[in-house]
Amino acid sequence: LAKTTQPISMDSYEGQEVNITCSHNNIATNDYITWYQQFPSQGPRFIIQGYKTKVTNEVASLFIPADRKSSTLSLPRVSLSDTAVYYCLVASYSSASKIIFGSGTRLSIRP
Amino acid sequence: NAGVTQTPKFQVLKTGQSMTLQCAQDMNHEYMSWYRQDPGMGLRLIHYSVGAGITDQGEVPNGYNVSRSTTEDFPLRLLSAAPSQTSVYFCASSYGEGKRITDTQYFGPGTRLTVL
Repeated sequence: LAKTTQPISMDSYEGQEVNITCSHNNIATNDYITWYQQFPSQGPRFIIQGYKTKVTNEVASLFIPADRKSSTLSLPRVSLSDTAVYYCLVASYSSASKIIFGSGTRLSIRP
Repeated sequence: NAGVTQTPKFQVLKTGQSMTLQCAQDMNHEYMSWYRQDPGMGLRLIHYSVGAGITDQGEVPNGYNVSRSTTEDFPLRLLSAAPSQTSVYFCASSYGEGKRITDTQYFGPGTRLTVL
């Protein structure tokens, strides 16, 4: 099973770009990398998903190097409302039992 | 669309009691799952279903049963509640198109369960 490792917490300030890196050394060929955001007392919310290189949507960018052993979630110009826990997970589309949520990264944004 | 709904929002049980947590989705999603989240921890997969009539175990299935008689509903049953099952329970669903069942999981608001 591909396990992920993320920093436990990060702090930043409004208007800054925040990069959260996730390690997944045992990622398999069929695995995709997905990031979720979770606010207190709410269920996680999908942010972005990718397989290789770079993916960008209206919320974030996801950078995946060629060896795919890590990935970086980039949040441009964060605001106070981006304070949340961010989860990186690696899962294969062939087996739902491989969906593993790690402990996540608690991101705190200060004014 | 209501999305993924869960009932109840809060529940207190005594050790040994049984109950069913309800989950429903109106997006015609094939894939549904149940997670539990303990304080300060990530989510752990309990059971999942890739379609009506099909269920399978996740990471932590012991003490829980599921069934999937319809596409819309995926109830989670606690057979004999234990204090170790005190947690927040989240239900999720996704399309499962092209077998990419990890695509964009939509989560419900959660059920906060306390077992005394």
